[in-house]
Amino acid sequence: ETGVTQTPRHLVMGMTNKKSLKCEQHLGHNAMYWYKQSAKKPLELMFVYSLEERVENNSVPSRFSPECPNSSHLFLHLHTLQPEDSALYLCASSLSPVEVNTEAFFGQGTRLTVV
Amino acid sequence: AQKITQTQPGMFVQEKEAVTLDCTYDTSDPSYGLFWYKQPSSGEMIFLIYQGSYDQQNATEGRYSLNFQKARKSANLVISASQLGDSAMYFCAMREGDWSGNKLVFGAGTILRVKS
Repeated sequence: ETGVTQTPRHLVMGMTNKKSLKCEQHLGHNAMYWYKQSAKKPLELMFVYSLEERVENNSVPSRFSPECPNSSHLFLHLHTLQPEDSALYLCASSLSPVEVNTEAFFGQGTRLTVV
Repeated sequence: AQKITQTQPGMFVQEKEAVTLDCTYDTSDPSYGLFWYKQPSSGEMIFLIYQGSYDQQNATEGRYSLNFQKARKSANLVISASQLGDSAMYFCAMREGDWSGNKLVFGAGTILRVKS
């Protein structure tokens, strides 16, 4: 496998469910990210992990809980979500956590619907 | 304040013609990078082109070129010889030089439709 892989691609969950989104990269990158893309809104950065340490938490509600067990894997644990949390959740990785010229490579996203 | 502004919600272009997608940015950092991404309906964000703030020449990658006007703080994407497969959402993004959590900040995007 190459690139950034996200599973599942689609997820429908009730407001009382607990689920997890998974992201995996085999690019040897040191930084990983979660973005939220809602309809008609710019991509919102949720979390940044650099060398497995969380370095950014953009005022995200606690019902979203990230986990980065190693530099290749990133999870987003979901619980008691609201319908407004329905969105496309994109994972990305980049080689360097600090270099300004480092592009991010994205997965195909998980389309989440909360019912 | 908005860091990245894309003023064109949607654009149409005839196949084989060129199209320019606008992007303006706001930063006080002298070191920054500007990126363009393409997002087809499948959802994946595909990196297209990069321009560094210290680069003397405009970036080019195949049919993509970046019209970088530093004084105006604009970084417009030019797609030459448009193809039907270019129909997608296009995002302009910026990464600033200070250690701000390594944020890549995106604009609202422009939907491009290529007509045959």
